[in-house]
Amino acid sequence: EVQLVESGGGLVQPGRSLRLSCAGSQFTFANYAMHWVRQAPGKGLEWVSGISWDSGSIGYADSVKGRFTISRDNAKNSLYLQMNSLRAEDVALYFCAKSPGGAVAAYPFDYWGQGTLVTVSS
Amino acid sequence: EILMTQSPATLSVSPGERATLSCRASQSVSSNLAWYQQKPGQAPRLLIFGASTRATGIPARFSGSGSGTEFTLTISSLQSEDFAVYYCQQHGDWPLSFGQGTKLEIK
Repeated sequence: EVQLVESGGGLVQPGRSLRLSCAGSQFTFANYAMHWVRQAPGKGLEWVSGISWDSGSIGYADSVKGRFTISRDNAKNSLYLQMNSLRAEDVALYFCAKSPGGAVAAYPFDYWGQGTLVTVSS
Repeated sequence: EILMTQSPATLSVSPGERATLSCRASQSVSSNLAWYQQKPGQAPRLLIFGASTRATGIPARFSGSGSGTEFTLTISSLQSEDFAVYYCQQHGDWPLSFGQGTKLEIK
């Protein structure tokens, strides 16, 4: 069974940084596009960022562009999200999600992790 | 950016009855439309992709239809485990976007 396990969430002050990680297993990680999706408490889903299988295509939501950076290490079966200049509005449960194809668009998300919670507060 | 709008926000239906959920895109997404189910404390689960194709392991009572800008998710005979929040998502154009969700509750 495909497994995605997020880590790295926690409490951080406004303006500081945090790096999230997602470890994939039980599938060939290098073949598939990966994404970050977040959900603020009691709210809906918001796509944050996506990266193609080879890191050749990357996209961001306008709300995080210029502050967040997505990356992956296929040798380590891992996805990352570097979050800088964090704001109160970034408070959310951050999910990593897998696409069934290598391109960063054109596919839905067929597997999701359980999420890691990011809290931004002084 | 493509705006996805779901209706209604809340739908009250009795077990055994049919539920129909709607999703509208602000511009055509062709058939690049997915539906997800999310229960409290859980990650979303993919139900439908390509507007009408059921994901692996999804019961036949779930069906999707539509193309372009108008889409529908139908649950033919509601089971107790189907009461949840449902999201549509367009997966064909940057930035990818979700609807705000429809909460399906027991009547």
